[in-house]
Amino acid sequence: GENVGLHLPTLSVQEGDNSIINCAYSNSASDYFIWYKQESGKGPQFIIDIRSNMDKRQGQRVTVLLNKTVKHLSLQIAATQPGDSAVYFCAGAGASGGGADGLTFGKGTHLIIQP
Amino acid sequence: GAGVSQSPRYKVAKRGQDVALRCDPISGHVSLFWYQQALGQGPEFLTYFQNEAQLDKSGLPSDRFFAERPEGSVSTLKIQRTQQEDSAVYLCASSFRQGSSPLHFGNGTRLTVT
Repeated sequence: GENVGLHLPTLSVQEGDNSIINCAYSNSASDYFIWYKQESGKGPQFIIDIRSNMDKRQGQRVTVLLNKTVKHLSLQIAATQPGDSAVYFCAGAGASGGGADGLTFGKGTHLIIQP
Repeated sequence: GAGVSQSPRYKVAKRGQDVALRCDPISGHVSLFWYQQALGQGPEFLTYFQNEAQLDKSGLPSDRFFAERPEGSVSTLKIQRTQQEDSAVYLCASSFRQGSSPLHFGNGTRLTVT
């Protein structure tokens, strides 16, 4: 299995600033990681994923960084908007990437955007 | 619709009742997962299907929990003799194929056992 956890339960940032959400994992055999966004009353929504053969991947306004040496990944959100307010989860999996292992989720970070 | 659909959205059950939660995955998705999410926590794995085969049920908390996917599409999670500790959001997710593809989640069923 995988043990994935987050450093901070709540992160408050000003609208327009950049946000960084951190995540640590324990299983060095994990090779696939995903960031999900979950708004109240909804299921987790896929944001971005990264495989262990990469150390950085960029999407629209989001960047995921993976440091395998210290087993840490982060999600950077550029120019945060009110719609970014949500709970963010990192999740990890083995080579099946969500197959028989399933994904293992951290507890989540609540991102609050201040106007 | 294009997404994973779950029903009902909310379910209130009296302790001891049986409940059945339904999941309609995205059409063509081979893999289907059930997760349990307690308030303020991340989702916890319950069980996994590849087509109609239940390949992993190691996360089911007790033998009161049972899941099926008889035709490899719609899945049902059944909880017998519900207990208060079963109160949670039950999330269903599907993915196109096994291996290195993200899971697409439904909005869940919020189960409250009174």
